[in-house]
Amino acid sequence: EVQLVESGGGLVQPGGSLRLSCAASGFTFSSYEMNWVRQAPGKGLEWVSYISSSGSTIYYADSVKGRFTISRDNAKNSLYLQMNSLRAEDTAVYYCGRSGSYYYFDYWGQGTLVTVSS
Amino acid sequence: QSALTQPRSVSGSPGQSVTISCTGTSSDVGGYNYVSWYQQHPGKAPKLMIYDVSKRPSGVPDRFSGSKSGNTASLTISGLQAEDEADYYCCSYAGSYTLWVFGGGTKLTVL
Repeated sequence: EVQLVESGGGLVQPGGSLRLSCAASGFTFSSYEMNWVRQAPGKGLEWVSYISSSGSTIYYADSVKGRFTISRDNAKNSLYLQMNSLRAEDTAVYYCGRSGSYYYFDYWGQGTLVTVSS
Repeated sequence: QSALTQPRSVSGSPGQSVTISCTGTSSDVGGYNYVSWYQQHPGKAPKLMIYDVSKRPSGVPDRFSGSKSGNTASLTISGLQAEDEADYYCCSYAGSYTLWVFGGGTKLTVL
């Protein structure tokens, strides 16, 4: 059974940093592209970042470019999102999502809440 | 403001059919056959219901179907059931720069 479990969320002040993790199991993690998608309270979904299976190709949404860094450790079956210079508008539940043939997200974790507030 | 436009809400009675639209542009929905749909119950993770416009993942009932015409994609749910009440989001690939864009979501109420 495919499982994705996010962790690392919490309350952080504006300008602060946070590192999210996503532990994967039930599939060959190193064979799949991965993503972070977020959902602000009461709002819709927003794609945040993508990383290829090897980690060699990375993309970011304009809203987080230059502030967030996606990475992965295939030996540990883990995906990460380093978030710096956090803003109030980054407040959201952050989901990790597995890519199914690149063009859609076939499995999602339960999400971790990030709250940016003073 | 979301890149793709969905109705905020739709409703239907058990057994009826409902259709949720998702309107984009020629740069996303109209330009690629890579529209996907996700179901999200309150407090839960999204679940893939349709991919590549009209394909259903294993385990998704055939009551769920997808289609596309021009810049508008649609999700149709036939034979509505109480458990179908949820939020539904469309998503489209939008090219090598923007990558993926979502709709604002549609709340489906089963009356």
